[in-house]
Amino acid sequence: GAGVSQTPSNKVTEKGKYVELRCDPISGHTALYWYRQSLGQGPEFLIYFQGTGAADDSGLPNDRFFAVRPEGSVSTLKIQRTERGDSAVYLCASNHGLAGDTQYFGPGTRLTVL
Amino acid sequence: AQSVTQLDSQVPVFEEAPVELRCNYSSSVSVYLFWYVQYPNQGLQLLLKYLSGSTLVKGINGFEAEFNKSQTSFHLRKPSVHISDTAEYFCAVSDKNSGGSNYKLTFGKGTLLTVNP
Repeated sequence: GAGVSQTPSNKVTEKGKYVELRCDPISGHTALYWYRQSLGQGPEFLIYFQGTGAADDSGLPNDRFFAVRPEGSVSTLKIQRTERGDSAVYLCASNHGLAGDTQYFGPGTRLTVL
Repeated sequence: AQSVTQLDSQVPVFEEAPVELRCNYSSSVSVYLFWYVQYPNQGLQLLLKYLSGSTLVKGINGFEAEFNKSQTSFHLRKPSVHISDTAEYFCAVSDKNSGGSNYKLTFGKGTLLTVNP
C-alpha cells in the first residue's frame, strides 16, 4: 500500500514569508506526528495529532508554527514569518497510536529559508 | 524527560567486517527502544524495536540489538556488513506509559556508517 507522502519535497523561500507543508498519512492511521531534522541532528518532535485534535504541541518552537488536521487525515504544518533558523527537513510520521507501534515516516520536506 | 546518546557520529568499516553502533539512553520511566535507518535521499525506515521480552532483538537486513537495562544501552550489531549498509542510523526511545497515547520518539543525533570496499 501507499506510504506516507509529503509535499513539496523541497521548498525554498525568503525570510519573512509564509509556508505550508503537507503530509498525507497512511490510510487508516489515526496518529500523526511532525518532526524537524536540522543538519547533523536527529529528528526532534514538534506536534502530535490523534484524529483531528492536536493532542501534544509541546515541541513547536514558537507561535510562528501551527499545524492542522481538519478531517483526521491530511495534515498541514504552517510557518509564518519564516526565519533562516527554520531551515531544516520536516518529517511526518503516522501509525495507529498504540503502545510500541512503529511510526512510518514520509520522505520529508526540505525547507530552505534564504 | 528522555535523552538518547549515540556515542559515535561516524563509523567507517570495511566490507564483511563486523560492526557495533552504540546507543545509550536516559529516562525516568520505562521506554520502548527503536533503531531506524536513513539511506541517502530516503526516509527513515525501522530496522528493529524492543518492546518487552527477550532482550536480543533481530531486525531486517541481518541487524540485531540487545537491550541492557542496567547499562541503559541498546547497541546495534551486524556480524558482516555490505556496501549497501552505508547509511545514517538513529536510535530512538518512546515513553512506555504515555498518559495520552502520545508515543512520540526522542532520537539520538545519529551515526553515519560508511562501508568501504
